Amino acid sequence: DIQMTQSPSTLSASVGDRVTITCRASQSVSNWLAWYQQKPGKAPKVLIYKASSLESGVPSRFSGSGSGTEFTLTISSLQPDDFATYYCQQCNSYPYTFGQGTKLDIK
Amino acid sequence: QVQLQESGPGLVKPSQTLSLTCTVSGASVSSAGYFWSWIRQHPGRGLEWIGYIYFNGRTYNNPSLESRMTISLDTSKNQFSLKLTSVTAADTAVYYCARDRGAEGSVDCWGQGTLVTVSS
Repeated sequence: DIQMTQSPSTLSASVGDRVTITCRASQSVSNWLAWYQQKPGKAPKVLIYKASSLESGVPSRFSGSGSGTEFTLTISSLQPDDFATYYCQQCNSYPYTFGQGTKLDIK
Repeated sequence: QVQLQESGPGLVKPSQTLSLTCTVSGASVSSAGYFWSWIRQHPGRGLEWIGYIYFNGRTYNNPSLESRMTISLDTSKNQFSLKLTSVTAADTAVYYCARDRGAEGSVDCWGQGTLVTVSS
């Protein structure tokens, strides 16, 4: 299985901050990488697919980049609604696997 | 608007079989292009992809669960189902049914999730 490792595991930030979350794959996944946001008690919601494509309806402050084994999710200016847990997922080979999550909380 | 809804027992005894059904509305499980999937999340932990079924009945199961799981399709009811046998406490989790887009490589629709607890 491809192992996905996110860093940091927890991130404290303030409204208006620019934040970056990193996801590393144990082997190349090309650009088959998605990012999800999950709030407590809710299902995840896709933000980015194919590493850098913004899902319809997702604010443009979210962006993704990378290919191969290293990827980043950037939120350009944090909004109150953005405090949540973020997961990456590789969709290159089965079984699909997720990162362990990055919890973004308010500083 | 596509909606998915899980249903099934919230409590299963150890060694018994977990059975969940996902009812899909707003889309057809008989249409090509989407992979109807099951994903679970252990309490307070990350996400684990269980497997999928395609419109033609083709399945892929996570090797870690393959010997115990079956995913099936009921096109007449626009549903798909998961059965997991010989459950233990380690199978306690929130189970999500979901639609994987395949070509876009991501899950764009999720059910609300259902907590299944394995306990005597």
